[in-house]
Amino acid sequence: SAVISQKPSRDICQRGTSLTIQCQVDSQVTMMFWYRQQPGQSLTLIATANQGSEATYESGFVIDKFPISRPNLTFSTLTVSNMSPEDSSIYLCSVVGGASYEQYFGPGTRLTVT
Amino acid sequence: SQKIEQNSEALNIQEGKTATLTCNYTNYSPAYLQWYRQDPGRGPVFLLLIRENEKEKRKERLKVTFDTTLKQSLFHITASQPADSATYLCALVQTYNAGNNRKLIWGLGTSLAVNP
Repeated sequence: SAVISQKPSRDICQRGTSLTIQCQVDSQVTMMFWYRQQPGQSLTLIATANQGSEATYESGFVIDKFPISRPNLTFSTLTVSNMSPEDSSIYLCSVVGGASYEQYFGPGTRLTVT
Repeated sequence: SQKIEQNSEALNIQEGKTATLTCNYTNYSPAYLQWYRQDPGRGPVFLLLIRENEKEKRKERLKVTFDTTLKQSLFHITASQPADSATYLCALVQTYNAGNNRKLIWGLGTSLAVNP
């Protein structure tokens, strides 16, 4: 299984600002995923980040709001732009661990927007 | 689209008993169904998966069953311990774009508390 770290672990941000979350994996992986987990809701996939190509966004998520970078096979960033209190959530990155699509997650970033 | 339902009510059991958690899905049977554990403030941790042609899978004190007729998976923890207290998530793989893409669909999770 992969070891994944995220920075920051938590942050409190003001409305209208942006926060960039970093995700580092200890091995090279093709796909990395960004999820949001809001209180009382299930994990929701934001986008899939492939190295060397544009991220693929799920319905309801757009690049202007959640720009993603994937400069190499071990690193990705997710930016939450022009934040509002509705963006308060836990943001998680993950990678696929095997042929059955099981995933391994980072510890998450807890974001609070005031 | 596929939906997953897990019992939203927290499950409280006594140490040593067997905990049973339920995961129901609504549409086609997935090729495999996965179970994860999530502790507060942490990311989900993969536990085990079961394939559609398997009735039962075991790993130490964990057992998963898969009934494609009922569209249901049961997750059992035998000889439960307080350290098993966590939220348990069920997920299945959904394919789209004519099978060229896959993503996980997640349940809300069931909170388990094992009392000493």
